Amino acid sequence: DIQMTQSPSSLSASVGDRVTITCRASRSINSYLSWYHQKPGKAPKLLIYAASSLHGGVPSRFSGSGSGTDFTLTISSLQPEDFATYYCQQSYNTPFTFGPGTKVDIK
Amino acid sequence: EVQLLESGGGLVQPGGSLRLSCAASGLIFSNYAMNWVRQAPGKGLEWVSAISGGGVGTYYADSVKGRCTVSRDNSKNTLYLQMDSLRAEDTAVYYCAKAPYSYVIGDNGMDVWGQGTAVTVSS
Repeated sequence: DIQMTQSPSSLSASVGDRVTITCRASRSINSYLSWYHQKPGKAPKLLIYAASSLHGGVPSRFSGSGSGTDFTLTISSLQPEDFATYYCQQSYNTPFTFGPGTKVDIK
Repeated sequence: EVQLLESGGGLVQPGGSLRLSCAASGLIFSNYAMNWVRQAPGKGLEWVSAISGGGVGTYYADSVKGRCTVSRDNSKNTLYLQMDSLRAEDTAVYYCAKAPYSYVIGDNGMDVWGQGTAVTVSS
């Protein structure tokens, strides 16, 4: 199975900050990488697919990059509604696997 | 607007069975692969199972293989997850999630999610 790791596991940031979250796969997954965020008690929402493609309706402050084993999610200017937990997920092979999550909270 | 609505969760004893349903609306259901993803209390997301748009291809996590069966009725726009031999570690909120294409494996992500249904396995 492909293992996914994320760093950091949590971070504190302020509104307007630039935030970067890293995701690493245990072997190459090409660009078969998606990013989601989830708020407490709510379902996850897709932000980025194919490593760098922005899902419809997602603000342009979100961006993704990477291929192979190393990927990055960047929020260019953190907004109040962005405080949430962020997950990466590989869809290169089953079983699909998620990273453990990165919790972004208010500094 | 595409909507997914899960149902069928509840309290079940260890060793028991449960069938979860996911009713879809606002789409041509057979055109899309579907997934089940779960989240144990206070934990992260775990992919459970997937099925192709036509229902021929099915996939499972090792943790549920042999105990769960995914299926779909495209005439009813409904996805199912039959869960047998339930264990305490199956306690979670179960989400159904749609893929943008009819095939399961791809660089597409899961673009629409239901609100989830809670399963508790306890005596």
